Amino acid sequence: GENVEQHPSTLSVQEGDSAVIKCTYSDSASNYFPWYKQELGKRPQLIIDIRSNVGEKKDQRIAVTLNKTAKHFSLHITETQPEDSAVYFCAASKTGTASKLTFGTGTRLQVTL
Amino acid sequence: DAGVIQSPRHEVTEMGQEVTLRCKPISGHDYLFWYRQTMMRGLELLIYFNNNVPIDDSGMPEDRFSAKMPNASFSTLKIQPSEPRDSAVYFCASTLQGSETQYFGPGTRLLVL
Repeated sequence: GENVEQHPSTLSVQEGDSAVIKCTYSDSASNYFPWYKQELGKRPQLIIDIRSNVGEKKDQRIAVTLNKTAKHFSLHITETQPEDSAVYFCAASKTGTASKLTFGTGTRLQVTL
Repeated sequence: DAGVIQSPRHEVTEMGQEVTLRCKPISGHDYLFWYRQTMMRGLELLIYFNNNVPIDDSGMPEDRFSAKMPNASFSTLKIQPSEPRDSAVYFCASTLQGSETQYFGPGTRLLVL
């Protein structure tokens, strides 16, 4: 089955700096890669996703890049703000196969003032 | 839209007791997922349903766990008998075929003493 590894497990940045979280996946057939944000005590919520037919996707301060050859994808957050502090999860799945997501182990991002 | 609804939000029980967690997916969604989240193991997929039929239960820890989906708007996850190691947050999520985005419920925080 699919295996998703995520690094780092914790990340501390100063407000205004950029943050990068990286994930690798094992199944070359995976073609859908979402990122979820989970604030303390809350549910995971989708913040951005990318499909294997594109290499990069941006949404305001958030971007995701995908390298299919290397089987890795990354989340980039620019101009970080305190409200970005949360746990971020990457995931991978094969579209058309019942949307079964395999999650990474999460990255705890702390944005300090 | 009310989103995915879970009950109870918190459950404290004693070892050996039966626990039943409930989920109402978003109306019209045809996939329903049960996840367990712990610090040690992260987000684990336990089982998922498509059109009320269990598709993959390979994540169910053992026979003490069972899940049902009697109709499109209701699912249960039952643990009998419960053990302290079952303490975790249990999330239900739903999605629509072709959408890929999973919408999580608020979770049930279970503590087994």
